[in-house]
Amino acid sequence: QQQVKQSPQSLIVQKGGISIINCAYENTAFDYFPWYQQFPGKGPALLIAIRPDVSEKKEGRFTISFNKSAKQFSLHIMDSQPGDSATYFCAADFSNSGYALNFGKGTSLLVTP
Amino acid sequence: DVKVTQSSRYLVKRTGEKVFLECVQDMDHENMFWYRQDPGLGLRLIYFSYDVKMKEKGDIPEGYSVSREKKERFSLILESASTNQTSMYLCASLNPGDPPYEQYFGPGTRLTVT
Repeated sequence: QQQVKQSPQSLIVQKGGISIINCAYENTAFDYFPWYQQFPGKGPALLIAIRPDVSEKKEGRFTISFNKSAKQFSLHIMDSQPGDSATYFCAADFSNSGYALNFGKGTSLLVTP
Repeated sequence: DVKVTQSSRYLVKRTGEKVFLECVQDMDHENMFWYRQDPGLGLRLIYFSYDVKMKEKGDIPEGYSVSREKKERFSLILESASTNQTSMYLCASLNPGDPPYEQYFGPGTRLTVT
């Protein structure tokens, strides 16, 4: 049973546009929500992460929005660039479990010139 | 820079063979993980370890075992490889006392079982 549901599976955005990827979770005990970015031929790398005590976190063009009551969180990529084309994974975990992450199925993002 | 290395980028094995996938990290991280990545399924946790000789099952441990005899090395073992274990295998490590608690991934081993 997948504990984190991610949508859409794929996304095409024009350069300069906003990319939005959504995730939903069931377990209210989760307290750590990271996003990972993976380029072809590479392992995933941490992009940005949030704890449930804040509703938004921004790092450069990347923003996580977190809605605790709806058990949803999303990644917004502002001013999307072709170099952002990659696969994005949301994840969730309990910090006292050793950070063994429950990943979503991933979103393949293509930013067209 | 943290470096996680995996013994092979590509591996081809026959059904029934015993397969060893090796992972080494150079940052003295306590926690290590093995995932498999399949198209449309994302990353699924096979096993993880939070200390030498300690291991915990993940979501899909069936058909796999692990070994962690030294802190820097975490091995994934397929006792009798089957075709449904054809996949990309990713190893990761993490220091649980070090925010933002990033898992550092290796480049992956693409295993084909024929």
